[in-house]
Amino acid sequence: KNEVEQSPQNLTAQEGEFITINCSYSVGISALHWLQQHPGGGIVSLFMLSSGKKKHGRLIATINIQEKHSSLHITASHPRDSAVYICAVSENSNYQLIWGAGTKLIIKP
Amino acid sequence: GAGVSQSPSNKVTEKGKDVELRCDPISGHTALYWYRQSLGQGLEFLIYFQGNSAPDKSGLPSDRFSAERTGGSVSTLTIQRTQQEDSAVYLCASSFGTSGRGTQYFGPGTRLLVL
Repeated sequence: KNEVEQSPQNLTAQEGEFITINCSYSVGISALHWLQQHPGGGIVSLFMLSSGKKKHGRLIATINIQEKHSSLHITASHPRDSAVYICAVSENSNYQLIWGAGTKLIIKP
Repeated sequence: GAGVSQSPSNKVTEKGKDVELRCDPISGHTALYWYRQSLGQGLEFLIYFQGNSAPDKSGLPSDRFSAERTGGSVSTLTIQRTQQEDSAVYLCASSFGTSGRGTQYFGPGTRLLVL
């Protein structure tokens, strides 16, 4: 079983829809990261969370430490949001990030 | 200020040749990471530098891979006697402090193709 699991693996939605991507982890963590990777592009860090909720523009990230679960939400989705969204966690005792497999999101106009 | 930069952006080489990939981290970031992403795969940790401490090389896939960081800033990842399976995007990231306490900022990556 992977230590970081994301769902869904692939998601196709229409422009304007509310998007939710989930991340569950099985290890104790000091932080959880959400990152975005555009096709053929680099990786951009979106959020780093250790508790609660963060918002940036149309993106919202939440984390529930007790349930070991995080969600990334996109409101009023747009085709430019099409990318792979990656969840990664930092273990309590280890600086290395443990990566999820990513969620490929396609927003159709 | 400038973000993390990497060079070259693309590199095509012949099997058996050596390649050098460069990473310029954000000024003041003490931590520097190298990752590899093969086609259709997730990110694979390669090596981690933290300040002047000895690097963690536990992710390097073979002894053909090596990396150094000069003066606590610029880093070079060297792949000797390249093989076709080395073809991937090589990503560098830097952060202030350890990964659990600082956001990692990624460079644009170097796309390596070994023919």
